[in-house]
Amino acid sequence: NAGVTQTPKFRILKIGQSMTLQCTQDMNHNYMYWYRQDPGMGLKLIYYSVGAGITDKGEVPNGYNVSRSTTEDFPLRLELAAPSQTSVYFCASSTTGVGNQPQHFGDGTRLSIL
Amino acid sequence: RKEVEQDPGPFNVPEGATVAFNCTYSNSASQSFFWYRQDCRKEPKLLMSVYSSGNEDGRFTAQLNRASQYISLLIRDSKLSDSATYLCVVTVYSSASKIIFGSGTRLSIRP
Repeated sequence: NAGVTQTPKFRILKIGQSMTLQCTQDMNHNYMYWYRQDPGMGLKLIYYSVGAGITDKGEVPNGYNVSRSTTEDFPLRLELAAPSQTSVYFCASSTTGVGNQPQHFGDGTRLSIL
Repeated sequence: RKEVEQDPGPFNVPEGATVAFNCTYSNSASQSFFWYRQDCRKEPKLLMSVYSSGNEDGRFTAQLNRASQYISLLIRDSKLSDSATYLCVVTVYSSASKIIFGSGTRLSIRP
């Protein structure tokens, strides 16, 4: 049972570099989400998607972009990495409406910007 | 004021004890409430939803108090494996739905 798969698990970037965090799910969920979690803090919603071709901003979208060309994939793009983007990034999916539960989370991507 | 607030803890209790913690929310339009569990360096996992009438799942009981705008989680007969961080999650449905995670309450069960 793959569920939600995130790659890579760890990454170190230099300031100004770009990268894409990959997220794929095999549960045929329409709703997908990207969160970031800073040390000792709760998760903050970056972007979400209610289906292929539809994305929307969450609470902290600045500095990120997303796309949803298929139901399965929801990549998160950092164009110009900044130290403030050092965090753990979680992708999640759910069957029904935004905020409805349960959300199934991936293992996370630990990203450091130096 | 944070939209969702939790006592960060840590709560350090002996095995077998009963422990309870609250989560307060500020937006009266909040409509869905949940407790998630997060182990160290792991992803969050849904523990239970919180219904207006209160609900129980084994040793865990969740309650919602809309008048005072808080939810609670009670753990009875605590086990070592209950050691984790418990996240309160609130969803606000409006023109732009919001999913708000609390910062979490750390619970440590000692033998």
